[in-house]
Amino acid sequence: AQRVTQPEKLLSVFKGAPVELKCNYSYSGSPELFWYVQYSRQRLQLLLRHISRESIKGFTADLNKGETSFHLKKPFAQEEDSAMYYCALLTGGGNKLTFGTGTQLKVEL
Amino acid sequence: GAVVSQHPSRVICKSGTSVKIECRSLDFQATTMFWYRQFPKQSLMLMATSNEGSKATYEQGVEKDKFLINHASLTLSTLTVTSAHPEDSSFYICSAIRTGVNTEAFFGQGTRLTVV
Repeated sequence: AQRVTQPEKLLSVFKGAPVELKCNYSYSGSPELFWYVQYSRQRLQLLLRHISRESIKGFTADLNKGETSFHLKKPFAQEEDSAMYYCALLTGGGNKLTFGTGTQLKVEL
Repeated sequence: GAVVSQHPSRVICKSGTSVKIECRSLDFQATTMFWYRQFPKQSLMLMATSNEGSKATYEQGVEKDKFLINHASLTLSTLTVTSAHPEDSSFYICSAIRTGVNTEAFFGQGTRLTVV
């Protein structure tokens, strides 16, 4: 069965410091991984997907199949990055979307 | 981007009554929709996968007779909480998958259910 693990419930960093939100997955097939973000009082929205290999709002995430990881990184945290971040795994040809438990990122001044 | 609309955004009902929550994909067809429950300051818990034209697939521990899911069209899935009790009070979120070159999940704004 598929599983997504986000080991940190809360990550607190200072503005300008690097950020790394960890995500590990368990799936025997070919994974499709995403990072979703939920800002205060807003709905969940897609931040980035591993397929597109893009940088969104300064965030990047690389799929490491050997370590079964998809960590989210940003070199310099901004105050507006404070939010809840969820790593998600899409499997079954789009039939199942499994979320990790989420990491609350708090960027302090 | 694509939009998923969830209605109502907030509902208060009495114990023992039933409540229906609608999830609509406004500008794309969704064969698959998901229903999640989110407790305060906790992650999303997948309740069930709603498949158009067939029975929903429920996660372990979710009572299918209590949380009725109907996915009658490619743009609408409904979740009915039957015989609601105070412990059913929660934030319910739906998600619709838009498949294609860039498969992506879009989320409704959520429904805050309070059972009194």
